[in-house]
Amino acid sequence: AQRVTQPEKLLSVFKGAPVELKCNYSYSGSPELFWYVQYSRQRLQLLLRHISRESIKGFTADLNKGETSFHLKKPFAQEEDSAMYYCALRGGSNYKLTFGKGTLLTVNP
Amino acid sequence: EAGVTQFPSHSVIEKGQTVTLRCDPISGHDNLYWYRRVMGKEIKFLLHFVKESKQDESGMPNNRFLAERTGGTYSTLKVQPAELEDSGVYFCASSQVLGGGDGNTIYFGEGSWLTVV
Repeated sequence: AQRVTQPEKLLSVFKGAPVELKCNYSYSGSPELFWYVQYSRQRLQLLLRHISRESIKGFTADLNKGETSFHLKKPFAQEEDSAMYYCALRGGSNYKLTFGKGTLLTVNP
Repeated sequence: EAGVTQFPSHSVIEKGQTVTLRCDPISGHDNLYWYRRVMGKEIKFLLHFVKESKQDESGMPNNRFLAERTGGTYSTLKVQPAELEDSGVYFCASSQVLGGGDGNTIYFGEGSWLTVV
């Protein structure tokens, strides 16, 4: 069974502070991990995927198979980063995304 | 390029009534998905179309939900009769391919908020 856990429902930081949104997963095979973001009044959009190993809007995420984690990090948070962040997993050749419950990030001025 | 569009954006109906949600995927995307998020829960998969065929409807909660994709273009999701627990956000998404690479990125619509009272 596939499972994604985001332990923090809410996360509040000040502008310029580092931010880390946690994501742990459970999957027996080789998963594909994603972070989706939903800004206020906008659609859910892909932020980054682990296979790309890229940095988007200053965010990075590294897949740690030993710890089964895919935490999202940004060294200096900006107010415009305030949004709902969802970690998602797709297993092997499966096309379904399994989502975590999401973390609402608020970056205060 | 237009994204995935959904209609209506918000709907309030009484228990027992019928609601039909519509989704227009990105042009050229054969794969269409429905997901939903009910209050306090995670976003969950409902079903997947490839063109007009249902590939997987394992996430459909019960037979009050009916999804169609006539002609392999737009899709509708009908809830009949609606119950209170159906309230939530219904997301439609589409992707070009299922395999690896950028083509299998899943693009989401803005969602249809359904409130059953």
